Amino acid sequence: SQTIHQWPATLVQPVGSPLSLECTVEGTSNPNLYWYRQAAGRGLQLLFYSVGIGQISSEVPQNLSASRPQDRQFILSSKKLLLSDSGFYLCAGNRDTEAFFGQGTRLTVV
Amino acid sequence: QKEVEQDPGPLSVPEGAIVSLNCTYSNSAFQYFMWYRQYSRKGPELLMYTYSSGNKEDGRFTAQVDKSSKYISLFIRDSQPSDSATYLCAMRKGLTGANNLFFGTGTRLTVIP
Repeated sequence: SQTIHQWPATLVQPVGSPLSLECTVEGTSNPNLYWYRQAAGRGLQLLFYSVGIGQISSEVPQNLSASRPQDRQFILSSKKLLLSDSGFYLCAGNRDTEAFFGQGTRLTVV
Repeated sequence: QKEVEQDPGPLSVPEGAIVSLNCTYSNSAFQYFMWYRQYSRKGPELLMYTYSSGNKEDGRFTAQVDKSSKYISLFIRDSQPSDSATYLCAMRKGLTGANNLFFGTGTRLTVIP
């Protein structure tokens, strides 16, 4: 079965600090990978998606970036966090069928 | 207009009640329909997956798709406190390609013992 590993589960970072969230995939190869941010009552906001190594598409201009250095690795980064970057971040993947999700990272920028 | 509309709730029901969760959509190209359950502070997990119109049953859960009305539903029979979660509908147009998965905002359900 397909599994997304995402870490850390919670993170508290000061404003202006860098960010690196990592997710890895098991059980499939060449998946499409996604980073979402989820705000209460506002649903899932697609931030980035990737169809392959080094291929990143950005949906929302912002303070974040993404990279896919390996087929099953997807990284969300920021050079300088803003207060508005606080939220619940989800990594997801799919290949042909429904999406499967990681357990999420709760990021609080203070 | 959003591609997928879902009432965010919250919805509170007594234990044992039948729950009806719904989504509407605007794009007739959607063919694959999914329901996800998300417990607090966790990632969504796939609950039901259907293709095209019709019903699909899995235990206490029934997913229903009405493509003519662009309306999908999830029914939960004999609801339990453990069903308390946010339920997200999702749909996609085809099996290939990326960025073709659209989510509702989620409905927060509480089942009261």
